[in-house]
Amino acid sequence: DAKTTQPPSMDCAEGRAANLPCNHSTISGNEYVYWYRQIHSQGPQYIIHGLKNNETNEMASLIITEDRKSSTLILPHATLRDTAVYYCIVGKDGATNKLIFGTGTLLAVQP
Amino acid sequence: AAGVIQSPRHLIKEKRETATLKCYPIPRHDTVYWYQQGPGQDPQFLISFYEKMQSDKGSIPDRFSAQQFSDYHSELNMSSLELGDSALYFCASSSLAGGIQETQYFGPGTRLLVL
Repeated sequence: DAKTTQPPSMDCAEGRAANLPCNHSTISGNEYVYWYRQIHSQGPQYIIHGLKNNETNEMASLIITEDRKSSTLILPHATLRDTAVYYCIVGKDGATNKLIFGTGTLLAVQP
Repeated sequence: AAGVIQSPRHLIKEKRETATLKCYPIPRHDTVYWYQQGPGQDPQFLISFYEKMQSDKGSIPDRFSAQQFSDYHSELNMSSLELGDSALYFCASSSLAGGIQETQYFGPGTRLLVL
């Protein structure tokens, strides 16, 4: 599975958009980009995933570059409850898709 | 919507004791994953099961074993507990549909403390 690189921490003002970057330069053609978040000691929460097209759901938007070597998770209007560690994970769909967690980005939403 | 259920939520054991953690997947999910998260660390994959068969194995100690039952619930058995086994243990579930493994959803975790 491809390795991902994320900044260790970011700050965001409440109500503003949070843009979380992820580099995955060794991603292969059949690998997806998944985003999960973990709010202090709770179970990781699925946010969104994509292959090559941009994706949007009720939680966030995922922007994947054309070469697929990086992506950005966008939380359009961050709230204090969005403070969490955000994990960008690259993996394949298939008979098993264990998630390999890296170090993630600690997003601190400030009032 | 129904979520992944884990029991117990908290567990305290002594060194060298045994522990059993249980996981009840989301209804109609056929795949279960176990992850371990030590203090200040990121979750690490331990083992997974699909249709009651082990499908993948990660960094799971030989002292640990797991299985998935006919009702798809899973149990993680941990023997000869060590202080270093103190961690959060998460179970996740997903379903295989049309040959594609769908999104993995996590339970709230079991916090194990070994004294």
